[in-house]
Amino acid sequence: AQTVTQSQPEMSVQEAETVTLSCTYDTSESDYYLFWYKQPPSRQMILVIRQEAYKQQNATENRFSVNFQKAAKSFSLKISDSQLGDAAMYFCAYRSYSDNNNDMRFGAGTRLTVKP
Amino acid sequence: SAVISQKPSRDICQRGTSLTIQCQVDSQVTMMFWYRQQPGQSLTLIATANQGSEATYESGFVIDKFPISRPNLTFSTLTVSNMSPEDSSIYLCSGQGYNEKLFFGSGTQLSVL
Repeated sequence: AQTVTQSQPEMSVQEAETVTLSCTYDTSESDYYLFWYKQPPSRQMILVIRQEAYKQQNATENRFSVNFQKAAKSFSLKISDSQLGDAAMYFCAYRSYSDNNNDMRFGAGTRLTVKP
Repeated sequence: SAVISQKPSRDICQRGTSLTIQCQVDSQVTMMFWYRQQPGQSLTLIATANQGSEATYESGFVIDKFPISRPNLTFSTLTVSNMSPEDSSIYLCSGQGYNEKLFFGSGTQLSVL
C-alpha cells in the first residue's frame, strides 16, 4: 500500500520569505499523481498544485512550485514570497493512476505559520 | 473546477442518535469519496461512493455504521449511525473532477455528547 510521509509537523516562515515543505512517499507503481492541498481554519481543502509522475518538469502555480524527485520518491513544495494568507495546514497526497485504486492517500500534514 | 456544497457545516448530537451529511456537486463527477479527519490529524478514507451500487468501505469502516447513498452523479449522503463520542470528528466529502483533481466540500464538524 502507498504511504505518504510529511516529516515536518510544523514550519514557520517570515512574510515575504521562502519556505519549503517536505514530502516523501512509498509506492511500487510507476504512474501516479501527487498533490499538495491547503487546509485553512475554515476546513476547506484547497488544491494548491498537482504533478503527474510521468512528467519530468516540475509543476508551478504562481508562487507555489514543487521539486519532484521520482527516483528518491520526494515531492517538496516551495512557497515563495510567503503571505499571511498562506498560513494553514498543508497536506501532501498520492493517487494511483490505476482505475482500480482511485482514492487519495494523505500525509499527516504540516502546519505552516507565517510571521508578519 | 467543481464546487461541492456540504451540509450541515456543524452539529452537536446526542449519543445513540444518527446524523446524515449531504454533499451536492455543481457538476457531474465520476467518483465521490468520504473522509474523516480527527482533530489535528490527517484525512482517513471511509469509503468510495459508487453511483447506482453499494459503497466500497475501507478497513475499519462498515456499512451498518456509515451507510452511504449515491443516487446520481451529483449527490451523495453519509450517515453516522448510533453515534458515540468517539465519532466526534470532521467529515469531508470529495469528488473527482477531470485531470484527477479531487475537490472537497467544506466539511461537517460533528460533536457527540
